[in-house]
Parts: sequence; C-alpha cells; structure tokens
Amino acid sequence: NAGVTQTPKFRVLKTGQSMTLLCAQDMNHEYMYWYRQDPGMGLRLIHYSVGEGTTAKGEVPDGYNVSRLKKQNFLLGLESAAPSQTSVYFCASRDREGQPQHFGDGTRLSIL
Amino acid sequence: GEDVEQSLFLSVREGDSSVINCTYTDSSSTYLYWYKQEPGAGLQLLTYIFSNMDMKQDQRLTVLLNKKDKHLSLRIADTQTGDSAIYFCAESMGSDFNKFYFGSGTKLNVKP
Repeated sequence: NAGVTQTPKFRVLKTGQSMTLLCAQDMNHEYMYWYRQDPGMGLRLIHYSVGEGTTAKGEVPDGYNVSRLKKQNFLLGLESAAPSQTSVYFCASRDREGQPQHFGDGTRLSIL
Repeated sequence: GEDVEQSLFLSVREGDSSVINCTYTDSSSTYLYWYKQEPGAGLQLLTYIFSNMDMKQDQRLTVLLNKKDKHLSLRIADTQTGDSAIYFCAESMGSDFNKFYFGSGTKLNVKP
C-alpha cells in the first residue's frame, strides 16, 4: 500500500536556490495539503487543494507556491529558499469532508 | 488560527494507563483527531471522534470528549514501550472543513 508518497526524503539547499517537493497519492483523494513542522510546534498548513486544478492558501503560504495539475499529485515549490524555510514538510490527502487526513513520511529540508 | 493546546511531555511505566489531554477553542469544531508520530515518520491516524459523541473506544484506545469544556483526551490502556511517540490532537473547523489545526504534540515516554 503506497498511500501518500513524498519525494525527496532529504534535501540540503543553499539560500536563494529553488526546488520542488513532490507529493503523490494513489487513493483517488480529492483534497491534498502541504504542512510544515517545526520543533516544538504542531503542523502549520501552507497550501491546500480541493481538487485537480485548484489551490488555496493556508496559514503560512508566503515564500511557497503549489500546483495540482493532476489529481494524484500536489507540488510544493520554493522559488528562492531562505534559512527560515528549514523544516520538515508533510503532505496529506483525504477523501471527503470530515474524513481524516493520510500523511506521507515527510521531507526534511535544510537551507544553509 | 485556532488554539489547540497539549502538554509537552508524559512519562508512564509499561503496563500503566496513559492519558493525553488536549484543549481547543472553537466550539464549532466538528471532528477531532488523534495522530501518532514516531521518530522520522509521518503522522499516523489513531482515531477520531465526531463532535456529537462523548466517547469512542477502539481496542486499547479510549477517546473522551467534553464539549462544554472543549476538552479532548486519549487514554491508552496497558501502555507498551512501542507506544512511545509524539501524539497530536487536531480539530477540523465546522466553518471550513479544509482547515485542520494541530496541537504542538505530547511526547509520551514509556519506561520498561
């Protein structure tokens, strides 16, 4: 059972570099989410999508962009990475309203 | 965002019961969730409860909801060393099902 798969698992970037994190789900879920998790804090929602071709801002969207060109994929982009974006990024998906989210294993991103 | 509060640490002995507490602020919360996170892994859904329920039991797990006090608890019976992890409670908002708010997590340490 693949569920939610995130790539890459680890990455180190230099300040100013760009990169894209990929999230793929094989459960045909409509809704997908990107969170960041920082030490001592819960998860904070960056962006989310309620279906193919849609995106919306979450709690901490600045410095990130997203795209949902295909239902199964949700991409998170950092155009110009900053040290404050060092974090663990989690992707999640769910089937419909009220149903719980299913999480990937995370991407550990360090920006020097 | 909404405030979801949890104590940071809990330490119990193997075989004892663990009770992890959570308080939330939005009275319109519709679903409340408990997730478990082991080191280096994503969040694993343990259980969830609809806000019109007072209690839900699932094997060793018992969830109690006091809606008047906006208090949620997770009881783990016969706690094992494999239960050592960080436990997050989360709420989804009645006004917007796409917004999930997570607590900062409670680190459960189970001593043999």
